[in-house]
Amino acid sequence: GAGVSQSPSNKVTEKGKDVELRCDPISGHTALYWYRQSLGQGLEFLIYFQGNSAPDKSGLPSDRFSAERTGGSVSTLTIQRTQQEDSAVYLCASSFRLDVETQYFGPGTRLTVL
Amino acid sequence: AQRVTQPEKLLSVFKGAPVELKCNYSYSGSPELFWYVQYSRQRLQLLLRHISRESIKGFTADLNKGETSFHLKKPFAQEEDSAMYYCALSGQGAQKLVFGQGTRLTINP
Repeated sequence: GAGVSQSPSNKVTEKGKDVELRCDPISGHTALYWYRQSLGQGLEFLIYFQGNSAPDKSGLPSDRFSAERTGGSVSTLTIQRTQQEDSAVYLCASSFRLDVETQYFGPGTRLTVL
Repeated sequence: AQRVTQPEKLLSVFKGAPVELKCNYSYSGSPELFWYVQYSRQRLQLLLRHISRESIKGFTADLNKGETSFHLKKPFAQEEDSAMYYCALSGQGAQKLVFGQGTRLTINP
């Protein structure tokens, strides 16, 4: 009965390095979302996966950002050549296909780029 | 384009006073509106949705299509209501939520 889990909880990296953030959705949830929560910016949508459909990548801020969802479950958000402005809390959420608006959020990964 | 605006970043009221968190939206069709809440050291969670027309923890919100608003109200604020509140919109056929920037509500004793 675990909720959405994310790892790591905190990540400190140097500018220019690549980072990978992981999300484990609730079992049985077919929809998975990534958001970014930064100071003064609220919650920004990044990318959305629904079953086997092509992901909605419309929120990714640049081509340095990418995400995968393997086997319809675990997802990895990758940020290449990190910049200081990438510092934020990255939230993952999942939901049932028939109730996508009731999203269950993970605890987030706090990313700090030095 | 879909947009959600929460004009107040910070809102502070005294315990027992009425509270209203403002939310305005921009969408050409018929949206679905939601309020999400994040209490201190807890995860973001759904508070209520307009189609349910229910009251959760004493909070209600009415969708006003004429004013394109979905303000969150509670007649008597409690200290445990202190949290970050996000208004969100889902467009017709859309599979994602568009969030406002959030309002941090502080209830003073």
